[in-house]
Amino acid sequence: ETGVTQTPRHLVMGMTNKKSLKCEQHLGHNAMYWYKQSAKKPLELMFVYNFKEQTENNSVPSRFSPECPNSSHLFLHLHTLQPEDSALYLCASSQEGGSSYEQYFGPGTRLTVT
Amino acid sequence: GQNIDQPTEMTATEGAIVQINCTYQTSGFNGLFWYQQHAGEAPTFLSYNVLDGLEEKGRFSSFLSRSKGYSYLLLKELQMKDSASYLCAVMDSNYQLIWGAGTKLIIKP
Repeated sequence: ETGVTQTPRHLVMGMTNKKSLKCEQHLGHNAMYWYKQSAKKPLELMFVYNFKEQTENNSVPSRFSPECPNSSHLFLHLHTLQPEDSALYLCASSQEGGSSYEQYFGPGTRLTVT
Repeated sequence: GQNIDQPTEMTATEGAIVQINCTYQTSGFNGLFWYQQHAGEAPTFLSYNVLDGLEEKGRFSSFLSRSKGYSYLLLKELQMKDSASYLCAVMDSNYQLIWGAGTKLIIKP
């Protein structure tokens, strides 16, 4: 248990569906991240939020839409996805400005787009 | 461009020692991380090196040479539970993590 939870753990959706991934951190951190992890590829940083403000958007397609209502919660809204979007989506948090830059990860949501 | 290289897969025997290498080319350097990720689970932090040298933490040690753009993770007295992927990541000048693709370590009895 890392202090970061994600729901759902598994999700199968069609290309016309709309769904949302949820992440919650119980560590009091001020930064949260969405990553995409595909088999045998490096983790891809998608979005970064610092103090609820988005500070990074790594050229992610608009079919992925993040939302950060407060420093403890992060959502990833999904719509009209493509089969190549099937992957493990990881949420992480960290304390920016602290002495440690360590990121704490949630268990991920395994997404399959059919 | 920025690049992190590590072997795709390694195999070792229970009780032995294994060294997982990582080389990097990044725009700036603010430290190197090693994470462990068991199948279907979250990556968990193992070590952080920002200065050259060896950091020992129990059965695991991590080494860094900034001049060579090189690090390794050394695992001693291997146990079956050490079977996992090991991810190398470098924090660049913007304090963003650049990740390697991970090394899958298989431990055999």
